[in-house]
Amino acid sequence: GDSVTQMEGPVTLSEEAFLTINCTYTATGYPSLFWYVQYPGEGLQLLLKATKADDKGSNKGFEATYRKETTSFHLEKGSVQVSDSAVYFCALYSGGGADGLTFGKGTHLIIQP
Amino acid sequence: NAGVTQTPKFRVLKTGQSMTLLCAQDMNHEYMYWYRQDPGMGLRLIHYSVGEGTTAKGEVPDGYNVSRLKKQNFLLGLESAAPSQTSVYFCASSYSTSGSDTQYFGPGTRLTVL
Repeated sequence: GDSVTQMEGPVTLSEEAFLTINCTYTATGYPSLFWYVQYPGEGLQLLLKATKADDKGSNKGFEATYRKETTSFHLEKGSVQVSDSAVYFCALYSGGGADGLTFGKGTHLIIQP
Repeated sequence: NAGVTQTPKFRVLKTGQSMTLLCAQDMNHEYMYWYRQDPGMGLRLIHYSVGEGTTAKGEVPDGYNVSRLKKQNFLLGLESAAPSQTSVYFCASSYSTSGSDTQYFGPGTRLTVL
């Protein structure tokens, strides 16, 4: 079945550091890929998405490129801020089974001033 | 627009008690979902609905029932709660299941079963 593997945290960085959160996946067919963010005490919000190979999703300074050859969708940001502290979830939708998203376990990111 | 709302926000149950979680969306979405979030497990799909009057099982449906009597509402029921159902429950909705479509999430319900 479908699965998503992402680095587990917590990941602690200093403000203005470069961020990479790795995400790899296993899926049938050609899934759509997503990054969701969960701020403390809130629900999940879509951060960015990509629907086909080589697409780049971007939002709020975050980027991720859909790499079919490596089955990856790594999240990057050039200069993180304290306000980026949150839990980040990589997810996919393949449509091969139940009509819901398959999520990774989440990466807790902590940015220190 | 309120988006996706969930009631209640918190609840404590004793083993064997029953309860219903309510999810409401005002975006006229066809698809609605219930997920549970457990530490170190990410989110897992419990049940979902592709339209009014229809429901289907997700990855972890056992111990839960759902109903979608109105398009805007999706109810999740626990008939006889167990400690293993202690979790944070999220409802989501989307216009379709197209690969490019976004799921919108509610704020969550934190349930503790003693």
